[in-house]
Amino acid sequence: GAVVSQHPSRVICKSGTSVKIECRSLDFQATTMFWYRQFPKQSLMLMATSNEGSKATYEQGVEKDKFLINHASLTLSTLTVTSAHPEDSSFYICSARRRLSSYEQYFGPGTRLTVT
Amino acid sequence: KQEVTQIPAALSVPEGENLVLNCSFTDSAIYNLQWFRQDPGKGLTSLLLIQSSQREQTSGRLNASLDKSSGRSTLYIAASQPGDSATYLCARGTSYGKLTFGQGTILTVHP
Repeated sequence: GAVVSQHPSRVICKSGTSVKIECRSLDFQATTMFWYRQFPKQSLMLMATSNEGSKATYEQGVEKDKFLINHASLTLSTLTVTSAHPEDSSFYICSARRRLSSYEQYFGPGTRLTVT
Repeated sequence: KQEVTQIPAALSVPEGENLVLNCSFTDSAIYNLQWFRQDPGKGLTSLLLIQSSQREQTSGRLNASLDKSSGRSTLYIAASQPGDSATYLCARGTSYGKLTFGQGTILTVHP
């Protein structure tokens, strides 16, 4: 099977600090990774699409300078929440799309971010 | 704007019942439709994926159908079990992998 990991699984940080979340495809290469955010009792909302070796594409309303995405290799994408505020507290989930597949995505277990 | 709607928002059934979860979407030019399961505080598990050229997919006790003309998909769960309790999400997908999720149906199967 295709496995996607995220690290850390939980993180608590103080307001104003930055937090980096990693998303890794463990047993396959992913040219595209997606970052989602899920607020309590709500569904997943796509934040950005990350393509290996190029700039991420952000969804409308997502601040690219606040949510920095880097996809430096075919197995790793990172999301950095800069100058975090309490309203950024959420569940962040990534997914990875297989290099040779046109539609299958595999989701990570998510990262719970709490900003105090 | 492409929207995905799921009804009911929550469903509670006794063990053994067959049940149907509904998903509707705007824009019939759909590429694919996926059903996922999410346990509390966890990521997503893919259940079934239906391509736009298909009408249904089956996996074990699960059957998902797709009717593009009416903009609807249903997830049928046969002989429900307490372990089926979770949030079920449907999502429409584009050819480049972008998914738009519904709000989910919270399913509780009680013994």
